[in-house]
Amino acid sequence: GENVEQHPSTLSVQEGDSAVIKCTYSDSASNYFPWYKQELGKRPQLIIDIRSNVGEKKDQRIAVTLNKTAKHFSLHITETQPEDSAVYFCAASNNNFNKFYFGSGTKLNVKP
Amino acid sequence: DADVTQTPRNRITKTGKRIMLECSQTKGHDRMYWYRQDPGLGLRLIYYSFDVKDINKGEISDGYSVSRQAQAKFSLSLESAIPNQTALYFCATSARGGGTEAFFGQGTRLTVV
Repeated sequence: GENVEQHPSTLSVQEGDSAVIKCTYSDSASNYFPWYKQELGKRPQLIIDIRSNVGEKKDQRIAVTLNKTAKHFSLHITETQPEDSAVYFCAASNNNFNKFYFGSGTKLNVKP
Repeated sequence: DADVTQTPRNRITKTGKRIMLECSQTKGHDRMYWYRQDPGLGLRLIYYSFDVKDINKGEISDGYSVSRQAQAKFSLSLESAIPNQTALYFCATSARGGGTEAFFGQGTRLTVV
């Protein structure tokens, strides 16, 4: 089955700095890579996703990059704000089964 | 608003008791999932169902069972609860086909004492 690894487990940045979270996956059949944000006491919610036919996707201050050859993908948050503080999860799935395999999560703390 | 609803939101139960967590959705999705969240371990898949007649074990199904009563309802049972099943449980749904977003319920915080 798929194995998704996520690093770092915690990340502390100063407001305005950039934050990068990295994930690797093992199954070359995986072709959909969503990122979820979970605020304290809330449910995970999708913030951005990327499919395997695309190398990069941007949405305002967040971007995701995908390297299929190396089987890794990353979340980039620029100009971080205190409200970006949350736990972020990466995930991988494929068309055949659409099971979502999640990374272990990154707790991002943005210091004002 | 179409949504994914879990009941109860919080539950404390004793070791050995049977407990059921319920999930219902109004999104019209075929696929439903139960995940368990523990600190530092992310979201681990317990069971998943791609339609009413299709139930599959996930990574950590031991000690759990499920029932898909209808397209909109997917229940998770702990037949005999034990303390290491204390966790935050999430139900999720997704549409048929690959590359579609998973939508999560609000979560159920279960404590087994």
